[in-house]
Formats: sequence, C-alpha cells, structure tokens
Amino acid sequence: DIQMTQSPSALSASVGDRVTITCRASQGISHWLAWFQQKPGKAPKLLIQQASILESGVPSRFSGSGSGAEFSLIISSLQPDDFATYYCQQYFDNFPTFGGGTKVEI
Amino acid sequence: EVQLVQSGAEVKKLGESLRISCQGSGYSFTSYWITWVRQMPGKGLEWMGKIDPSDSSTNYSPSFQGQVTFSTDKSTATAYLHWSSLKASDTAIYYCARPDCSGDGCKLLPHWGQGTLVTVSS
Repeated sequence: DIQMTQSPSALSASVGDRVTITCRASQGISHWLAWFQQKPGKAPKLLIQQASILESGVPSRFSGSGSGAEFSLIISSLQPDDFATYYCQQYFDNFPTFGGGTKVEI
Repeated sequence: EVQLVQSGAEVKKLGESLRISCQGSGYSFTSYWITWVRQMPGKGLEWMGKIDPSDSSTNYSPSFQGQVTFSTDKSTATAYLHWSSLKASDTAIYYCARPDCSGDGCKLLPHWGQGTLVTVSS
C-alpha cells in the first residue's frame, strides 16, 4: 500500500490566517492526489483533484500544489466555515489510501 | 443530480450478521463502480474496496478481503455491504461513494452517501 502522511495532525488558527497542510506519499504518485474536507457528522467533500484542480463551487481561497510525493493544501484566509478536518487521498494506486487527517480548530 | 442514499443506523451484537445499503439515483447505476469507505470512531478514512454493479466484479483492499462482502441489485440500483459475523472492531461509520467517471480506472470520489453508523456491542 502507498502510505500517506499528513502534517500537522491538528492546528489552531484564527479567522483570516493563512493555513498550510502537507501530505507526503511513501512513493511517487504523480499528480493523482485529492483533498477532502469533512465536518462533524457529515460525509467528506471533495475540494481538489489532481493535486491542484479546484472542484466547482469551492472557494478560491483553497489551493493545492505539489507532484510526485509532496503536496500541500493552502487556505489563504481562513473563514469560519473552514474549521473542519482535511484529508488527502492518493488515487494513483489500485488501492487508494487516505492520509490521517488534519483537524483545523479555532 | 447524483444521489447516494444509505440505510439507517444499526445496533447489533457480536457475531450477528448485517447488511447495509446504498441506493443510487440520478445516473445510470450500472455505469459506475461503487466504493465503500470506513471511518472508525474519531479516526480517519479507510478505503475498503469497490464493486462494479454491471457484473458484480469486486476489488477489495487487502485489509478488508474476507472480512466483508460487497453486492449489488441492479433492479433497485442498490449496493450492499455485508458482514456474516460482526466484531466489536466493525463499529464505525460506513460510506458509499461513486467516482467521477465510468470504468475500473476511475478512482476520484466526488459523490458520497450520508454514511451509516454501525454499532456492535456485546
């Protein structure tokens, strides 16, 4: 299996802050990486595909970058609706795997 | 609009069997694989595997092979996740999800069900 390691596992931030979450794959996955946002009691929501392509309707304050084995999710100016847990997922492999998650708290 | 509607929460005892469901609508059910994802209490997401509703081909994650069974019913556009003998460690929320395109190589998951909470107690 390809292991996905996210950091940090949790962070505290304020409205307006710039937030960066990183995700490392145990082997190269090209650009086959997705980012999801999950709020308590809800299903994950796809934010970004192919490492940097924003899904329709996702605010432009979200951006993704990286390729190979190192990736980042950046929230340029944190908004109240952004407090949630974020997961990266590789879909390069026949067995897609998720990172452990990053909880963004106030 | 693509919708995946899952069955309600279940409370079961150790060793019991269980089947939960995921009904698709708003698209051609047999054209898209259905993926199952587990989320244990307070934990992250785990990809369990997927099933092709057109011919019931399956692809199980090694971690879940032999532990669960996927099936589908084309007549009702419903996918199922089945356990023959539940363990306490099966307590989790289970999500079904559909990829963005048809075919085995399509693995991006933009469409998700609301999740089914399974609680297994002694």
